[in-house]
Amino acid sequence: KQEVTQIPAALSVPEGENLVLNCSFTDSAIYNLQWFRQDPGKGLTSLLLIQSSQREQTSGRLNASLDKSSGRSTLYIAASQPGDSATYLCAVRGEVIKAAGNKLTFGGGTRVLVKP
Amino acid sequence: NAGVTQTPKFRVLKTGQSMTLLCAQDMNHEYMYWYRQDPGMGLRLIHYSVGEGTTAKGEVPDGYNVSRLKKQNFLLGLESAAPSQTSVYFCASSPEVDRPRTDTQYFGPGTRLTVL
Repeated sequence: KQEVTQIPAALSVPEGENLVLNCSFTDSAIYNLQWFRQDPGKGLTSLLLIQSSQREQTSGRLNASLDKSSGRSTLYIAASQPGDSATYLCAVRGEVIKAAGNKLTFGGGTRVLVKP
Repeated sequence: NAGVTQTPKFRVLKTGQSMTLLCAQDMNHEYMYWYRQDPGMGLRLIHYSVGEGTTAKGEVPDGYNVSRLKKQNFLLGLESAAPSQTSVYFCASSPEVDRPRTDTQYFGPGTRLTVL
C-alpha cells in the first residue's frame, strides 16, 4: 500500500526566503506525482505535475523535482511572498488502469506561513 | 463554466441522522471522486466512479454510499451519521483521456460536516 509523507507539517519563513517542501512515498512504482495548493476553506488547486519519466517541472517561481528511485520529491518556491501562505499537498498516482480511475494518494500536507 | 460545485457548504447533523452530499461538474469528466480530509491526514479516498452508472470503493468506504446516475453528478450518502464522520468532504473530477497535461483532478470547495 502506497504511503505518502510530508515533512515538516508546518513551516514559517520571512518574506523573500526560499521555501523547500519535502514529500516521500513508499512505493516507487508511480505514474506521476502532483503538488497541490490549498487555501483555508477552499478546495485544492494543482500547481505542478511530474510524470514518472521526468526529473523536474517548473512554473514561474515554483520548481518540483522527482527522484523516483529514492521515493522523494521536493517543491521549491523561490523568493517567497505572503501570498504563498497556504497548505501544500503532494499526491502520487499509481496504476494506469481504467477501472482504477486516476486514484491519488495524498500526503498530510505542509502548512506554510510567509511573514511580511 | 462553474467547474466542480458541492452542496451544501456546511452541515451539522445529530448522531444517527442521514444526509446526502451533492457534487456536480460541468466539464464532461468521466471520473469523479469523494474524499474526506481530517486534520494532519491529507485527503483519503472514500468512493470513486469511472463513468455514469459505476461506483467503486476507495480507502475508507465504510459508513458511506454513493451513486452516479448522471455523468455530471456524484452523490455521497451517510445513512446513519456518526461523530467519526465529522470531517471536510471534497469532491473531484478528472477526464478519462490519459494525457500528461490533463492528468489532474479538479476539486470542489468542500463541505464541512459536523456530527454531534
